[in-house]
Amino acid sequence: EPEVTQTPSHQVTQMGQEVILRCVPISNHLYFYWYRQILGQKVEFLVSFYNNEISEKSEIFDDQFSVERPDGSNFTLKIRSTKLEDSAMYFCASRGGAHINEQFFGPGTRLTVL
Amino acid sequence: AQSVSQHNHHVILSEAASLELGCNYSYGGTVNLFWYVQYPGQHLQLLLKYFSGDPLVKGIKGFEAEFIKSKFSFNLRKPSVQWSDTAEYFCAASLSSNTGKLIFGQGTTLQVKP
Repeated sequence: EPEVTQTPSHQVTQMGQEVILRCVPISNHLYFYWYRQILGQKVEFLVSFYNNEISEKSEIFDDQFSVERPDGSNFTLKIRSTKLEDSAMYFCASRGGAHINEQFFGPGTRLTVL
Repeated sequence: AQSVSQHNHHVILSEAASLELGCNYSYGGTVNLFWYVQYPGQHLQLLLKYFSGDPLVKGIKGFEAEFIKSKFSFNLRKPSVQWSDTAEYFCAASLSSNTGKLIFGQGTTLQVKP
């Protein structure tokens, strides 16, 4: 069964460093998402991506964040200068098409900023 | 503002007990509603979804949920839980008209005692 994969499973970084979280969505899917979950809090929407551009982003997704689909298979989330409060579980999700509303989630990357 | 709330944060049941987890949403338009489950160490997985039609939807593993529009609710039920249902359960909603972003509830941790 096709699934969304994410790497790494756990990333530890120093405050101020750049991190790139990687996702491989399901191959024929068209819509891509990043969510995050700070420990003990809700899963929060960060950004949606369709047709090679951001279609919606939340207030959390400020200038420090960017997304890219560099090669037609990977979907990356970059945080330019990490802060302590960026420590969270980051989930990637993908969805097949406009009338297919189920999102499939990856296992997540746990980001720890020291 | 769009929001989803789950009433129960931590539920402890014995095997064979019946389960009902509450979920309410606040949205102005036509909503799609979902319940996701996260077993320990695993991905978020879709349990069931409601888009339109019969307000009583059946999902995997014997779960069902009822959409009550007048109450803005989408409660999850299972007549008889098993130890293997121990997991975290998330209610989520998206507007039919938007990018498909999901707004999640806080999650409910279900612990089933054998």
